[in-house]
Amino acid sequence: GQQLNQSPQSMFIQEGEDVSMNCTSSSIFNTWLWYKQDPGEGPVLLIALYKAGELTSNGRLTAQFGTTRKDSFLNISASIPSDVGIYFCAGQPNTGTASKLTFGTGTRLQVTL
Amino acid sequence: KAGVTQTPRYLIKTRGQQVTLSCSPISGHRSVSWYQQTPGQGLQFLFEYFSETQRNKGNFPGRFSGRQFSNSRSEMNVSTLELGDSALYLCASSLAGGGRARADRQGAYEQYFGPGTRLTVT
Repeated sequence: GQQLNQSPQSMFIQEGEDVSMNCTSSSIFNTWLWYKQDPGEGPVLLIALYKAGELTSNGRLTAQFGTTRKDSFLNISASIPSDVGIYFCAGQPNTGTASKLTFGTGTRLQVTL
Repeated sequence: KAGVTQTPRYLIKTRGQQVTLSCSPISGHRSVSWYQQTPGQGLQFLFEYFSETQRNKGNFPGRFSGRQFSNSRSEMNVSTLELGDSALYLCASSLAGGGRARADRQGAYEQYFGPGTRLTVT
């Protein structure tokens, strides 16, 4: 099945550092969603983006909807140990098929003290 | 408000058997979508139910089926299990759904996931 290209695949950073990851697609999406998944759990919705160029924050997290509508970016500032996990982007097409999320390959984040 | 719940959390079956997984959406959510997550293929969309009708379907064989009840709870069934069906099965709920649903409210289509059912086929 289709997966969006997400990079980097994994990151090993120190506590306090900023993190950037991105997601690209060959298709246009109406909505971009960012999720975080902890081991053995389901993905948790972090941020939703609805308009091209939109920049949205949720605490230390900031995400952007790319102007081409084919990409999205997530930044985490001043990382802390609980940021550890796998981050997924997901593209949502038009409302008629809004349920058919297409997920990225994931970015595994590990934070050291 | 309670989140999405899935039962059972863990399941071990043998090849050829069938299995039924259950999902209760967030109260007020009418759409339930199912996903399969494996290390090789990642998260893949199986199907979506809204108002007891399947609205969208992914690229999975007919052995995978589902249904939705009038209270929006949903079940997923996999028949004639294969080793490759071992995966984490996730369901997600949203206020609105695909197909005939119309919702202008921003966020109506945001999907919230349950903890998943870990299925192991031996």
